[in-house]
Amino acid sequence: LAKTTQPISMDSYEGQEVNITCSHNNIATNDYITWYQQFPSQGPRFIIQGYKTKVTNEVASLFIPADRKSSTLSLPRVSLSDTAVYYCLVDPMDTGRRALTFGSGTRLQVQP
Amino acid sequence: KAGVTQTPRYLIKTRGQQVTLSCSPISGHRSVSWYQQTPGQGLQFLFEYFSETQRNKGNFPGRFSGRQFSNSRSEMNVSTLELGDSALYLCASSFTAASSYEQYFGPGTRLTVT
Repeated sequence: LAKTTQPISMDSYEGQEVNITCSHNNIATNDYITWYQQFPSQGPRFIIQGYKTKVTNEVASLFIPADRKSSTLSLPRVSLSDTAVYYCLVDPMDTGRRALTFGSGTRLQVQP
Repeated sequence: KAGVTQTPRYLIKTRGQQVTLSCSPISGHRSVSWYQQTPGQGLQFLFEYFSETQRNKGNFPGRFSGRQFSNSRSEMNVSTLELGDSALYLCASSFTAASSYEQYFGPGTRLTVT
């Protein structure tokens, strides 16, 4: 299973755009890239998922280069409530191999 | 639509005891996964069930087991509890076991082993 590497922590200020990059050098052809957000004492919450190029939804964008060895989660105009841990996962399409590995995540701290 | 529910929310047990945790998935979801979260090891995958069958299992000892019922509700059991089993146990459900379906997590059960 592909291993992911993310920065341990990031700091930002309200209103700024935050980009969190995840490295997944051993990603397989059939793997999706998924990002989750987790607040203290809560379960993770799905943010966005993609396979290649760019995906955008109402809360974030996900940029995936052609070689798919990394991906970048972009949070536009963050607020204090975006302070959380963000996890990048590589999620196999093959249901027989599904064993999500969350890694250490990136702790984002948004300051006023 | 109601979210994933887990019971109990908090539990205190003594070393050597066993414990059973329960998870009710979102209505219509047939896949349930379990995770253990600790400050030291982070979020680790325990196992996944789909249609009452264990589809995948993480790297945990045999003391950790689970099952899924015909209504998709799932239980996990930990026998002979150790201090290191103290953790937040999270359950997640999804429509199917396919990775293209996002997982919805419950609030977790906080287990403390003394």
